[in-house]
Amino acid sequence: DQQVKQNSPSLSVQEGRISILNCDYTNSMFDYFLWYKKYPAEGPTFLISISSIKDKNEDGRFTVFLNKSAKHLSLHIVPSQPGDSAVYFCAASDTGSSNTGKLIFGQGTTLQVKP
Amino acid sequence: ETGVTQSPTHLIKTRGQQVTLRCSSQSGHNTVSWYQQALGQGPQFIFQYYREEENGRGNFPPRFSGLQFPNYSSELNVNALELDDSALYLCASSLRQGDGNTIYFGEGSWLTVV
Repeated sequence: DQQVKQNSPSLSVQEGRISILNCDYTNSMFDYFLWYKKYPAEGPTFLISISSIKDKNEDGRFTVFLNKSAKHLSLHIVPSQPGDSAVYFCAASDTGSSNTGKLIFGQGTTLQVKP
Repeated sequence: ETGVTQSPTHLIKTRGQQVTLRCSSQSGHNTVSWYQQALGQGPQFIFQYYREEENGRGNFPPRFSGLQFPNYSSELNVNALELDDSALYLCASSLRQGDGNTIYFGEGSWLTVV
């Protein structure tokens, strides 16, 4: 049962253009969502998050949008840079029930930004 | 540099053997979680330790066990290794439970079971 899904295994964009990475979830109890970035031979690093009480959160070139009715979130990177090339993981958490901070991750999307 | 270090970085074990993976957390981080990441998949939550006690467990059998020590280092032990246990094992530490913003991951330990 894949509660968090990233249906696009890979995405390729030109430098300077917008990258849009998508994520869907099925569990309506999720109330906190995060994006992580992972380079080869490194652990995931936190990128940006959003609480379910918001529908948008912005941090520099990165913006996350949340559509609760569609159970969908997306990460926008504008403008994309070659250094953004990495695997991006969407993760979700139900902070209310257990407070363990357990994160449910999607399968990841490999972003390639071409110079 | 996340301040979370894991060892060993790579190891190969035979089916049926036991393995211990180690993690040194950021100073003062009282919460540590372990994740398993199979090839082509996202990390899956194994369990979390808070103040040296298990506090939350994912869908993993009892042969996966752990310890957290007073100095905030921790171990993941896996008994009776199976071929499907081959994966990247990630340790993540944080100052508080449930705070996704400040979860720091180590680089992981690659385990191959043959």
